[in-house]
Amino acid sequence: SQLAEENSWALSVHEGESVTVNCSYKTSITALQWYRQKSGKGPAQLILIRSNEREKRNGRLRATLDTSSQSSSLSITATRCEDTAVYFCATQNTNTGKLTFGDGTVLTVKP
Amino acid sequence: GPKVLQIPSHQIIDMGQMVTLNCDPVSNHLYFYWYKQILGQQMEFLVNFYNGKVMEKSKLFKDQFSVERPDGSYFTLKIQPTALEDSAVYFCASSLTISNERLFFGHGTKLSVL
Repeated sequence: SQLAEENSWALSVHEGESVTVNCSYKTSITALQWYRQKSGKGPAQLILIRSNEREKRNGRLRATLDTSSQSSSLSITATRCEDTAVYFCATQNTNTGKLTFGDGTVLTVKP
Repeated sequence: GPKVLQIPSHQIIDMGQMVTLNCDPVSNHLYFYWYKQILGQQMEFLVNFYNGKVMEKSKLFKDQFSVERPDGSYFTLKIQPTALEDSAVYFCASSLTISNERLFFGHGTKLSVL
């Protein structure tokens, strides 16, 4: 079973629009991470949000965390074509470092 | 920013042969990881490594797989012998610590087993 999973397999928006990717997780966490993977590249961390934080921002990105419902969201405002990528949420085993990724959401931003 | 380098970017081998995937992690990082990705989506954990030892491995880390980092050089994933189902993109990652820590990933090595 997945320790983390995104709720949509694919999303498509037009440039300038906002989009939200949702994630649910099944394990107790001290933090949740969001990664983005562009075609032909490895994942790159976007945001780490700790369990005592409700919201975290990084430029056009905003992550929320609701530990009571074990869910998180990543919102991107004013999307650009270069935001086209697969977005993953991930939980980490803080004893071993193992990062477990959700299945990923494919985001396509059209001109 | 910090970079993880993977060599080669693409490797084609015949089933049954041995293959070694090489990773040059971020220089001051202490923890190293391998992930397997098929069809460009699911990132599946294989193994992580610290201080010369495997910390955790998944069921995908078959007996034919091994990892090492001799004398602080490349962190390697060896598969011997390879099977058709080993075809995938393999990503190396490294981190400084393991608690709520960002992993830095390389661009991956695409392994094609024929």
